[in-house]
Amino acid sequence: DAGVIQSPRHEVTEMGQEVTLRCKPISGHDYLFWYRQTMMRGLELLIYFNNNVPIDDSGMPEDRFSAKMPNASFSTLKIQPSEPRDSAVYFCASSLSGALNEKLFFGSGTQLSVL
Amino acid sequence: QKEVEQNSGPLSVPEGAIASLNCTYSDRVSQSFFWYRQYSGKSPELIMSIYSNGDKEDGRFTAQLNKASQYVSLLIRDSQPSDSATYLCAPGTSGRRALTFGSGTRLQVQP
Repeated sequence: DAGVIQSPRHEVTEMGQEVTLRCKPISGHDYLFWYRQTMMRGLELLIYFNNNVPIDDSGMPEDRFSAKMPNASFSTLKIQPSEPRDSAVYFCASSLSGALNEKLFFGSGTQLSVL
Repeated sequence: QKEVEQNSGPLSVPEGAIASLNCTYSDRVSQSFFWYRQYSGKSPELIMSIYSNGDKEDGRFTAQLNKASQYVSLLIRDSQPSDSATYLCAPGTSGRRALTFGSGTRLQVQP
């Protein structure tokens, strides 16, 4: 398997623009997570899905952020409108269900810069 | 109080020495504990997991867990320059699949 695939790898945009980040989890994994990493705040959970259903979105900063998982092989994280404070590395991760099976497989991340 | 606390470092050790990385957590119901390693510019990868009090060894890595003290540590024996990375601690809780990560400890192994 190719692992978790994220696109784009880098995104530079201007404040106010819409940004869409994409993720393809590992085939067969039924959990999908979106994390954000900054120097100041570390690695923060934004939202996670189980079988395409959002389970916990309490980490989503505000209404400008939204995430969808229309099927088992694709998820998007959208920021509209974007702000400079959204600049961060956004990671998608997936895992299998099952007791003691919590290993997260991370994608390579999307480096977002909002100017 | 933060859910997961780690010393940000950098922790600098000479090559061949033992590196000791520490983590405390606040959620008493945490049942599983994970150490992830993250090289600069890369994504985190799981290197150790531990579920019971005591020590768990895997090669040069030993994870130590003390649930009563809400403390977990990672020892790296015979440290190598290739071990230079940030180490993230993450307690897990039954019923909540998502992990809360500590801010990480940056380890530097000096040749």
